[in-house]
Amino acid sequence: KQEVTQIPAALSVPEGENLVLNCSFTDSAIYNLQWFRQDPGKGLTSLLLIQSSQREQTSGRLNASLDKSSGRSTLYIAASQPGDSATYLCAVNGNNRLAFGKGNQVVVIP
Amino acid sequence: EADIYQTPRYLVIGTGKKITLECSQTMGHDKMYWYQQDPGMELHLIHYSYGVNSTEKGDLSSESTVSRIRTEHFPLTLESARPSHTSQYLCASRGPPGDNEQFFGPGTRLTVL
Repeated sequence: KQEVTQIPAALSVPEGENLVLNCSFTDSAIYNLQWFRQDPGKGLTSLLLIQSSQREQTSGRLNASLDKSSGRSTLYIAASQPGDSATYLCAVNGNNRLAFGKGNQVVVIP
Repeated sequence: EADIYQTPRYLVIGTGKKITLECSQTMGHDKMYWYQQDPGMELHLIHYSYGVNSTEKGDLSSESTVSRIRTEHFPLTLESARPSHTSQYLCASRGPPGDNEQFFGPGTRLTVL
């Protein structure tokens, strides 16, 4: 069974600092990996999707890398802003079903 | 605009009532999913469907049932609501192979008194 771990569980950073969020998974036989953002009490917003054949994906200030062989993905958020405060979830797709981590809860301090 | 919708967004109901949570998507996706999430906790898959007339139970045991009569519609039903069903319910759909991005609805927050 796929297990997904996200470290750290929670972090606070001052505005302007770069954020580094880590995700590890136990089974490297994946189709893709997806990063989501979740605001309190809300649904999930898709941020980036990395196919298993890709090494990284970028969207604006966000960059996600994937190292399938070591079972790791990292989400970088450059020049963080208070609006980036949210929970970030990593989800690994194996056979059309997502396995989720518990999330990185981020607070960006103005 | 292609999207995924859930109604109601919030529901407070008494024990024993029958409820149906609605989920619709306009993206033509075959694969749809229901997740349950308690506050501050991880998501648990409770039901999924790979197409019309196809439904399966997920990883977390649930007393709810689902149906998939039309591609765009995937409702979840609780025949007799209990306080233990209090949670947030999230619906999602997934694109075809080669795309495979999963999209989520805004969720339904259910409180059973």
